[in-house]
Amino acid sequence: EVQLVESGGGLIQPGGSLRLSCAASGFTVSSNYMSWVRQAPGKGLEWVSVIYSGGSTYYADSVKGRFTISRDNSKNTLYLQMNSLRAEDTAVYYCARTPSGSRDYYFDYWGQGTLVTVSS
Amino acid sequence: SYELTQPPSVSVSPGQTARITCSGDALPKKYAYWYQQKSGQAPVLVIYEDSKRPSGIPERFSGSSSGTMATLTISGAQVEDEADYYCYSTDSSGNHRGVFGTGTKVTVL
Repeated sequence: EVQLVESGGGLIQPGGSLRLSCAASGFTVSSNYMSWVRQAPGKGLEWVSVIYSGGSTYYADSVKGRFTISRDNSKNTLYLQMNSLRAEDTAVYYCARTPSGSRDYYFDYWGQGTLVTVSS
Repeated sequence: SYELTQPPSVSVSPGQTARITCSGDALPKKYAYWYQQKSGQAPVLVIYEDSKRPSGIPERFSGSSSGTMATLTISGAQVEDEADYYCYSTDSSGNHRGVFGTGTKVTVL
């Protein structure tokens, strides 16, 4: 059974850093495209970043240069390193999987989300 | 930046048909996907590659795409279909970015 479990969220001051983790089971993270998607309170979904199975990474303009997506194949875990955090980064952060062999990247499994609150 | 536009809300009576549109310039070249999100829950994929339904999704959910518009149709809407619905696609400009639509609140009453 495919499962994604995020952790690492919490309250952080503006300008601070946080690393989110997404532990995967039931499949191999390195064989799939993996993404982060966020949702600010009361707002819609926003795509944040993707890491391809080959290792290429891409980011939304709103986080480029501040956030870094990575994975640890030995731990089958996806990460999102978030630096220089701003109030507008406050959101629930979801990790999501793209099915292997897909012609496009979309999301068939999602984690339950972890809340990041940026506030002084 | 690339945008996908949806109506903010759609209301439907139980048993009737709800249609949600998603407009985007790249949709003639890129697939549309649809997600259902109920309050406090993670999104669930209900349609992929314009019109395919994942296993476990009821047959009343269907999708289509023509030109710059994709449409999610709920035929015979049920009370449990009340949720937010988001279309999703990828940017066709080669920057490998995902884009969600603005979201539509579907009310069944």
